Amino acid sequence: SQTIHQWPATLVQPVGSPLSLECTVEGTSNPNLYWYRQAAGRGLQLLFYSVGIGQISSEVPQNLSASRPQDRQFILSSKKLLLSDSGFYLCAWSVFNGGYNEQFFGPGTRLTVL
Amino acid sequence: AQTVTQSQPEMSVQEAETVTLSCTYDTSESDYYLFWYKQPPSRQMILVIRQEAYKQQNATENRFSVNFQKAAKSFSLKISDSQLGDAAMYFCAYPEGSGNTPLVFGKGTRLSVIA
Repeated sequence: SQTIHQWPATLVQPVGSPLSLECTVEGTSNPNLYWYRQAAGRGLQLLFYSVGIGQISSEVPQNLSASRPQDRQFILSSKKLLLSDSGFYLCAWSVFNGGYNEQFFGPGTRLTVL
Repeated sequence: AQTVTQSQPEMSVQEAETVTLSCTYDTSESDYYLFWYKQPPSRQMILVIRQEAYKQQNATENRFSVNFQKAAKSFSLKISDSQLGDAAMYFCAYPEGSGNTPLVFGKGTRLSVIA
């Protein structure tokens, strides 16, 4: 069966510090991978998605970047965090079966920027 | 741009009663899938139910069912015999476009269940 891991679970960082959040998927090959941000317990904002190694699509211009160094690894980074980067970050994966792209989510990372 | 609207930011229901959460969307696609996800206080997103647009029959998963009206672009979620564990945020979602594209999520409805 497939599993998705995210770490760390919580993170408190000062403004201006770097960020690295990691997501890995097990039990599937060549998945689509996604990073979402959820602010104040509300809607999900798609930040990045990737359909393969080295293929990253950015949905929102911001202070963040993403990389996919391996097939089942997706990393969210920042060189200098802003207060507005605080939120709950969710990683997700899917495998398009020709019909739909049901997404499966990781447990999330709560990021607080002080 | 594709949009999905959940017009009820918050709802409440008495335990054992039925509640319906609404969702409308805007797409130019003719065949697509629609999803409802649940996010309990743990914040783990869980798929509740999936509906294929070309199927006339509404999807059902135990106490959860949908009322899908394709012409009206409406996709509501009905929860029967509500339980305390149903308290959560519920998100409606559908594909950004045709083929291998991400899902677009609504802003969510927070459901409270009253004992």
